[in-house]
Amino acid sequence: NAGVMQNPRHLVRRRGQEARLRCSPMKGHSHVYWYRQLPEEGLKFMVYLQKENIIDESGMPKERFSAEFPKEGPSILRIQQVVRGDSAAYFCASSPSRAEAEQFFGPGTRLTVL
Amino acid sequence: QKEVEQNSGPLSVPEGAIASLNCTYSDRGSQSFFWYRQYSGKSPELIMFIYSNGDKEDGRFTAQLNKASQYVSLLIRDSQPSDSATYLCAVNGAAGNKLTFGGGTRVLVKP
Repeated sequence: NAGVMQNPRHLVRRRGQEARLRCSPMKGHSHVYWYRQLPEEGLKFMVYLQKENIIDESGMPKERFSAEFPKEGPSILRIQQVVRGDSAAYFCASSPSRAEAEQFFGPGTRLTVL
Repeated sequence: QKEVEQNSGPLSVPEGAIASLNCTYSDRGSQSFFWYRQYSGKSPELIMFIYSNGDKEDGRFTAQLNKASQYVSLLIRDSQPSDSATYLCAVNGAAGNKLTFGGGTRVLVKP
């Protein structure tokens, strides 16, 4: 049962370091989404990608954050020069390639910035 | 006004009773609607989705959609202690495939 996979599950970084979060979609899914859940807050959309394309990055902070989904390999969410406010759970979801399809979530990466 | 609104709860329900959760949304162009269950410290788990006005049943869960009134609801019949979780309403708006989530309703099922 190959669901959405994310790694690492927990990541600790010091302020100013880089964080790289990885996501492999479910088998047969070509759409990937990243969401962030800050402590005691709701899930917020960050970015929507298809292979080699960023479709919608309207929820991504303008600085320090970037995402990619290469032709081969997992999707990567990269946070440069992390700050304490970046501490959150980052969830990846995937869906099949049809409009408004249901999205299935991975286990998440919990980022802690010291 | 928030785009997707839910009562934060907690909604306390006796075991075996029906839990009724409501969600309203502001984007009239929204096309698809989802209910996720999230246990503390875990990821959201999809339990229901609905695209058309009316009711959709799946086991103990029933989703109800009324696009004219811009609300979607979830009924959980024969509630079990294992149903104790936060239930997230999510809406896929007219703008594309991104989901907008409500803040969630915490449900407590008491034995």
